[in-house]
Amino acid sequence: NAGVMQNPRHLVRRRGQEARLRCSPMKGHSHVYWYRQLPEEGLKFMVYLQKENIIDESGMPKERFSAEFPKEGPSILRIQQVVRGDSAAYFCASSPGEWLNSYTFGSGTRLTVV
Amino acid sequence: SQKIEQNSEALNIQEGKTATLTCNYTNYSPAYLQWYRQDPGRGPVFLLLIRENEKEKRKERLKVTFDTTLKQSLFHITASQPADSATYLCALDMNRDDKIIFGKGTRLHILP
Repeated sequence: NAGVMQNPRHLVRRRGQEARLRCSPMKGHSHVYWYRQLPEEGLKFMVYLQKENIIDESGMPKERFSAEFPKEGPSILRIQQVVRGDSAAYFCASSPGEWLNSYTFGSGTRLTVV
Repeated sequence: SQKIEQNSEALNIQEGKTATLTCNYTNYSPAYLQWYRQDPGRGPVFLLLIRENEKEKRKERLKVTFDTTLKQSLFHITASQPADSATYLCALDMNRDDKIIFGKGTRLHILP
């Protein structure tokens, strides 16, 4: 039973390009969460999704960032027109969505904007 | 404002001793609190969950306490080993929903 799969592990983009980060949750998990982590900083919540629904996007920047979790396929975090400040590790987690559940995290995507 | 605080400085503990990490929070009333371990370049790994009505939880060499009056959780690793060296993250639900918020973590070094 594979865990949470994130790809790519490393992504380099030039300023102004688009970055697409993918996350396949654990089998049987219907809830996906995206977090951003800067060096020496904690995990910052970005967005919480269920299949075809955004439940909470209070941590997402208002511009350039979007997320989806379609009926089929992985969850996608999309960053348009990347800037140097977007360089960070982006972690995806999934859960079965039951009360008192823990999260299972992927290994993250390290985005570097040059 | 709401805040989760963990020791910002690294903690160095001699092998075999008990390591104790602290998590304090303000302006929250979480229903539960979780502890995760994170190794460099990896995602966090869940360790323990404790509910607001539980005082203590144990799992092998790990013990977590939760004091909702003090708004504090303590995380203990007994008989510590160099392999326990990692960053430990405290997390709690902010609004009694499925979203959890993390502290910045405490880096633990177990010295052989």
